[in-house]
Amino acid sequence: QLVLTQSPSASASLGASVKLTCTLSSGHSSYAIAWHQQQPEKGPRYLMKLNSDGSHSKGDGIPDRFSGSSSGAERYLTISSLQSEDEADYYCQTWGTGSVVFGGGTKLTVL
Amino acid sequence: QVQLVQSGAEVKKPGSSVKVSCKASGGTFSSYTISWVRQAPGQGLEWMGRIIPILGIANYAQKFQGRVTITADKSTSTAYMELSSLRSEDTAVYYCARGEEVGATSPIGYWGQGTLVTVSS
Repeated sequence: QLVLTQSPSASASLGASVKLTCTLSSGHSSYAIAWHQQQPEKGPRYLMKLNSDGSHSKGDGIPDRFSGSSSGAERYLTISSLQSEDEADYYCQTWGTGSVVFGGGTKLTVL
Repeated sequence: QVQLVQSGAEVKKPGSSVKVSCKASGGTFSSYTISWVRQAPGQGLEWMGRIIPILGIANYAQKFQGRVTITADKSTSTAYMELSSLRSEDTAVYYCARGEEVGATSPIGYWGQGTLVTVSS
């Protein structure tokens, strides 16, 4: 079964970097994923598509501070030079034959 | 520029149905998947189903099979999601979302503004 696992919460200081993790279930380590950001009281926004080899393509207007990388079944979102507006929920998402799956989301707190 | 504009908030009685619309502009409507995703208060994102308008075939999450119907009108570039037998647990914001790339194997790349559906007696 295709499942995405995320830590419920993360925190980092203003101006620092943070790396969020999304783990694909066993047997699905070759899958690409997408990262989405949801700021408080707003709808989700697409950040990027991230392939298993670490290559990624970002959505329109996504700053260079956001980058992605991969290792095995792990998919990462790194945010550098953290700003207050980066405090948000971050969701990973993938797709199988006729289905779409979301991770549970990580709530990022900027200290 | 791709835009997805959804219909307005709804208040429904338990046992009734709701139909939410999503009008797309920018890009070729028929070739991209349109998914419906909901978010209950304080909860995460939950995928309900999707359609590729050019094929007219919808896939549904098992949880919603038999209760949700997703359709698309190519002539107006509008997708619809109808949920029946509503219960209080269906109170949520419902989002439509379009694929980033043409075809079925694509991440979600664009989101509608969301439609709040409240189920209350």
